[in-house]
Amino acid sequence: SAVISQKPSRDICQRGTSLTIQCQVDSQVTMMFWYRQQPGQSLTLIATANQGSEATYESGFVIDKFPISRPNLTFSTLTVSNMSPEDSSIYLCSVQSGTNEKLFFGSGTQLSVL
Amino acid sequence: KQEVTQIPAALSVPEGENLVLNCSFTDSAIYNLQWFRQDPGKGLTSLLLIQSSQREQTSGRLNASLDKSSGRSTLYIAASQPGDSATYLCAVPRTDSWGKLQFGAGTQVVVTP
Repeated sequence: SAVISQKPSRDICQRGTSLTIQCQVDSQVTMMFWYRQQPGQSLTLIATANQGSEATYESGFVIDKFPISRPNLTFSTLTVSNMSPEDSSIYLCSVQSGTNEKLFFGSGTQLSVL
Repeated sequence: KQEVTQIPAALSVPEGENLVLNCSFTDSAIYNLQWFRQDPGKGLTSLLLIQSSQREQTSGRLNASLDKSSGRSTLYIAASQPGDSATYLCAVPRTDSWGKLQFGAGTQVVVTP
């Protein structure tokens, strides 16, 4: 299994500011995934973070709004830029560990934008 | 496009009763199906993963079944406890990448003492 450390666990931010969320894994993984869970909704994939190349974004999500870094095989960051109240959500990172096919999730970042 | 549905959306049971949570999916060509637990405001904890070749997977009080032909999975939780109160989500991999999951909306479970 993979142990994922995600921080911050929660934050309250002002409209127009940016927040960077960090995700650290205890082992090397090829792909990391970033999800968003809006209030009362299920999870939606934002992007796939690949080491050594640009992230791949899902329909409806753009790099200018959600820039992602992946400097090595154990770490990634997601930035939520120019925030508005509609960005209030739980943001989660996820990895697939080895050949198990199980996906493991970080503890999530609960973001509230005022 | 794969669609995943969970019924019921919410469930409340007294302690000791068995829980039955349902998950259905529209495209039966799945590699596996995974059940997760989510506590309020928190991340997801993986409970069980069933491979497409399996019909059942068990872990302690949890048992998950899979019927690919009918596009259904069921999560059974035996002898429920207040600590089982959480939202339970099922998910299947998208065909373009096993790491990308399509989630159901979840079943919110409350177990009353």
